[in-house]
Amino acid sequence: GEDVEQSLFLSVREGDSSVINCTYTDSSSTYLYWYKQEPGAGLQLLTYIFSNMDMKQDQRLTVLLNKKDKHLSLRIADTQTGDSAIYFCAERAGNNRKLIWGLGTSLAVNP
Amino acid sequence: NAGVTQTPKFRILKIGQSMTLQCTQDMNHNYMYWYRQDPGMGLKLIYYSVGAGITDKGEVPNGYNVSRSTTEDFPLRLELAAPSQTSVYFCASIAGTENYEQYFGPGTRLTVT
Repeated sequence: GEDVEQSLFLSVREGDSSVINCTYTDSSSTYLYWYKQEPGAGLQLLTYIFSNMDMKQDQRLTVLLNKKDKHLSLRIADTQTGDSAIYFCAERAGNNRKLIWGLGTSLAVNP
Repeated sequence: NAGVTQTPKFRILKIGQSMTLQCTQDMNHNYMYWYRQDPGMGLKLIYYSVGAGITDKGEVPNGYNVSRSTTEDFPLRLELAAPSQTSVYFCASIAGTENYEQYFGPGTRLTVT
């Protein structure tokens, strides 16, 4: 069935780059998303990529998509303490009205 | 626009009590969703709706009910609260446009004791 997997924790030093990885199983995925959840808050869309793209860049964020390996990554350049949060990967398969969510990666940024 | 609003923010229930979690969006979105998020876990879909009068079950519907009488409102009802329903509940909506961005409410933290 459909599944989205992420590593649960990542710790980086302030100023370094962070790379959060995600794998998915459904080859019919049309959109893949990265959401950010700060403590005690709801989820906010960070960025998304359409399945016919390999890369998308938005300021400090770079999303890479490897469709062959069904692997998605989010790179945050010059990571700041304000980037400490849980990052969720999600996919939309085909015309489904639901998203399939990963469990989230908790990013800790150390000064 | 206020976006997606949820009330209450916090609630403590005794086992067997009932309550309704309110969710309202003012973006004229057709699609609305209820998720629960247990500590350290991802999101589990409880129910969703693709328009007024239409609802469907998600992954974990047992113990919950929903209704969608208007486009704006999508309340979630717990009839007989159980400790297993202790969680944070998020409501979300989607315009239904191509990129399917979900807008989330701030969440309701529910404890059942």
